[in-house]
Amino acid sequence: GENVEQHPSTLSVQEGDSAVIKCTYSDSASNYFPWYKQELGKGPQLIIDIRSNVGEKKDQRIAVTLNKTAKHFSLHITETQPEDSAVYFCAASRDSGGYQKVTFGTGTKLQVIP
Amino acid sequence: EAGVTQFPSHSVIEKGQTVTLRCDPISGHDNLYWYRRVMGKEIKFLLHFVKESKQDESGMPNNRFLAERTGGTYSTLKVQPAELEDSGVYFCASSPEGLGETQYFGPGTRLLVL
Repeated sequence: GENVEQHPSTLSVQEGDSAVIKCTYSDSASNYFPWYKQELGKGPQLIIDIRSNVGEKKDQRIAVTLNKTAKHFSLHITETQPEDSAVYFCAASRDSGGYQKVTFGTGTKLQVIP
Repeated sequence: EAGVTQFPSHSVIEKGQTVTLRCDPISGHDNLYWYRRVMGKEIKFLLHFVKESKQDESGMPNNRFLAERTGGTYSTLKVQPAELEDSGVYFCASSPEGLGETQYFGPGTRLLVL
């Protein structure tokens, strides 16, 4: 089955700096890569996603890159703000019997220091 | 539109007791998923309902776990009897019919088995 590795497990940055979280996946059939943000006391919420036919996608301060050959994908947050502090999960998803099966990474706890 | 809701938010029980978790998906979502996160580890897939049918239950740990979705609306996940290793956060997610659809997560139930 799919295996998703995520690094680092914790990340502290100064407000205004950039943060980068990296993930690798093992199943070449994975074709959809969502990123989730989990704030304290809440469930994971989708913040950005990328499909396998695209190499990069950007939404304001957040960008995701995908290297299918190397099976790497990354989340980049620029100009970090205290409200970006949360746990971030990457995930890889593939079609499985007509449905999407999602495998998550172990999470990165991001702390933005004011 | 109301999001995915879960009840209870927290549960503390003793080993050997029974606990039932409930999930109400977003109205109209055919797909309902249960996941579990043990502290510091990945969000792990447990099972997937399509309406009232179990599409994939390959992630269920053992026969102490029973999930139901009568009528294809809300779902329950019963753990009987609970063991220490069952502690963690149980998330429910739902998505509309179709491939590649975003999964919307509930806030989770934090289960502690003593």
